Amino acid sequence: DAGVIQSPRHEVTEMGQEVTLRCKPISGHNSLFWYRQTMMRGLELLIYFNNNVPIDDSGMPEDRFSAKMPNASFSTLKIQPSEPRDSAVYFCASTWGTGQPQHFGDGTRLSIL
Amino acid sequence: AQSVTQLGSHVSVSEGALVLLRCNYSSSVPPYLFWYVQYPNQGLQLLLKYTTGATLVKGINGFEAEFKKSETSFHLTKPSAHMSDAAEYFCAVSDHDAGKSTFGDGTTLTVKP
Repeated sequence: DAGVIQSPRHEVTEMGQEVTLRCKPISGHNSLFWYRQTMMRGLELLIYFNNNVPIDDSGMPEDRFSAKMPNASFSTLKIQPSEPRDSAVYFCASTWGTGQPQHFGDGTRLSIL
Repeated sequence: AQSVTQLGSHVSVSEGALVLLRCNYSSSVPPYLFWYVQYPNQGLQLLLKYTTGATLVKGINGFEAEFKKSETSFHLTKPSAHMSDAAEYFCAVSDHDAGKSTFGDGTTLTVKP
């Protein structure tokens, strides 16, 4: 079975550039989560969707961050403009129902220079 | 507000020895508690969860955890460590089974041959 698929796995870009992270959840899952992991702050929930609708985006750091889920099989997390402090590993996760995520992708390691 | 404290950022055991990873939580409402495992360069995987009912919860890979309300603890154990258990383990608490949860800082488990 295909798990949660994230792309790209690695992204290095210069500050000020737009960054788009992509996620394909497990087929049939109707909840999708975006997390950020850093050494300083650990694992933080940015936003989660249920049935393609954002339920809680209180973890989104600021207006530079936006997330969309246009359909059940695809989501994006966009940072515009990017800053060095956005450097982190970003995880997407999905699950069936409204429970905690069971399946995480392997993450996108983002470096903003 | 909720919080999680994982005692010991690094735990080392010998292969075949008992694994004990400690987690204490703070919650103003009955908590939902979770343990996740993260292998290098991978996303998190749900090991087990406590929502309601039986306080001893069995998970995957031979792990189990016991919810002790009086001690506000949810320690993770495994009777006999295997080399493949070497990973980082995260405890998390939520005030319900859905959506936002607070993660601990993680405990890195090393298994010595």
